[in-house]
Amino acid sequence: AQSVTQLDSHVSVSEGTPVLLRCNYSSSYSPSLFWYVQHPNKGLQLLLKYTSAATLVKGINGFEAEFKKSETSFHLTKPSAHMSDAAEYFCVVSDGYGGATNKLIFGTGTLLAVQP
Amino acid sequence: DAMVIQNPRYQVTQFGKPVTLSCSQTLNHNVMYWYQQKSSQAPKLLFHYYDKDFNNEADTPDNFQSRRPNTSFCFLDIRSPGLGDAAMYLCATRGGFPDTQYFGPGTRLTVL
Repeated sequence: AQSVTQLDSHVSVSEGTPVLLRCNYSSSYSPSLFWYVQHPNKGLQLLLKYTSAATLVKGINGFEAEFKKSETSFHLTKPSAHMSDAAEYFCVVSDGYGGATNKLIFGTGTLLAVQP
Repeated sequence: DAMVIQNPRYQVTQFGKPVTLSCSQTLNHNVMYWYQQKSSQAPKLLFHYYDKDFNNEADTPDNFQSRRPNTSFCFLDIRSPGLGDAAMYLCATRGGFPDTQYFGPGTRLTVL
């Protein structure tokens, strides 16, 4: 069965410093992995997705994630945090290849705080 | 260039009074989902449509129903809202490669 584990429920960084949000996955086959961001009272916005074409995935707003099969990890990083990055971040794995079900399995979320 | 649109953004209803939330999409995706998200939790899938085929999650209460009259629109009906149904309701569609879900902005439901 597919699953994801977000290792930190809360992360606090100072503006201008690097961001690291950690995610480990479990999958019996090559997974489809995603990072979504959710600002307060908003929907989920797709940051990036892993397609198996490249292990380093670049997303929007300067975020990127690296797929490491040996470590079963898909950590999200950004070189320099901005105040507007403060939000909840979800690491997500898809449980199928695009069939009728293809449900998303969500991590428990990481709340990122950015201090001025 | 909104792709998944939800109306209203905020809905207040009374205990036991039926309420309908709506979702529309401009992506022409054949799969649409409804999620319930409570405070500080991940979204929880209620049901989804694959074209006109309705797929209910096993633990979705009977109080929640859905309609999809055409590809673009999908509705969530809560027949008798309880206080525990207060939540953010998210609509999503699926398409692209790899299959990706695109979420709307959500409807925040308050039950008085």
